[in-house]
Amino acid sequence: SYVLTQPPSVSVAPGQTATITCGGSSIGTKSVHWYQQKPGQAPVLVIYFDTDRPSGIPERFSGSNSANTATLTIGRVEAGDEADYYCQVWESSSDQHVFGSGTKVTVL
Amino acid sequence: DVHLVESGGGLVQPGGSLRLSCVASGFTFNDYVMSWVRQAPGKGLEWVSAMTGSGDRPYYADSVKGRFTISRDNSKNTLYLQMNSLRADDTAVYYCAKGAGYLDPWGPGTLVTVSS
Repeated sequence: SYVLTQPPSVSVAPGQTATITCGGSSIGTKSVHWYQQKPGQAPVLVIYFDTDRPSGIPERFSGSNSANTATLTIGRVEAGDEADYYCQVWESSSDQHVFGSGTKVTVL
Repeated sequence: DVHLVESGGGLVQPGGSLRLSCVASGFTFNDYVMSWVRQAPGKGLEWVSAMTGSGDRPYYADSVKGRFTISRDNSKNTLYLQMNSLRADDTAVYYCAKGAGYLDPWGPGTLVTVSS
């Protein structure tokens, strides 16, 4: 089965840039979506189709995808960005959604 | 505004059954694939099942295949998840979510606890 690998945690100072990676075999050939989940809340879509932002998501959130790594970048990090972030793809060979293990972003 | 609300969670004994519901509003329900995703306490997200808009094609994670059945009633804008032969490791918050490739939005979730 397809596996997506994320670092368990990322720490960043306010105002700096957080980079969250999502590794997978030839992930660059797939569409990657990213979700933010704050404690006790449902996940919220922050990036879809690798680079697109839903309405209401700040421009500070951006995504990229190439080769074997997709990346979510959060610029000018704020305290309110502290959350768990998950990447996700639809794996067509098995007809299943696959989620990464999640990355906890801590704002120092 | 798109709105999803799950219900039907609760405490059930191992080997028991439970049916979850997700009522949708704010969009043309039968135009969209709908999914169930779960999250065990303190753990990450795990996709469980999805159903096409017409209700003719279900998809399942290997971990629930043969035990869970997804269905929908488009006349009631409602998605269901029938869960049989429940095990302790099925304990989780179960979310429904709209969409095919990406999932947006998600409901607030309903907690299922499998314990004796």
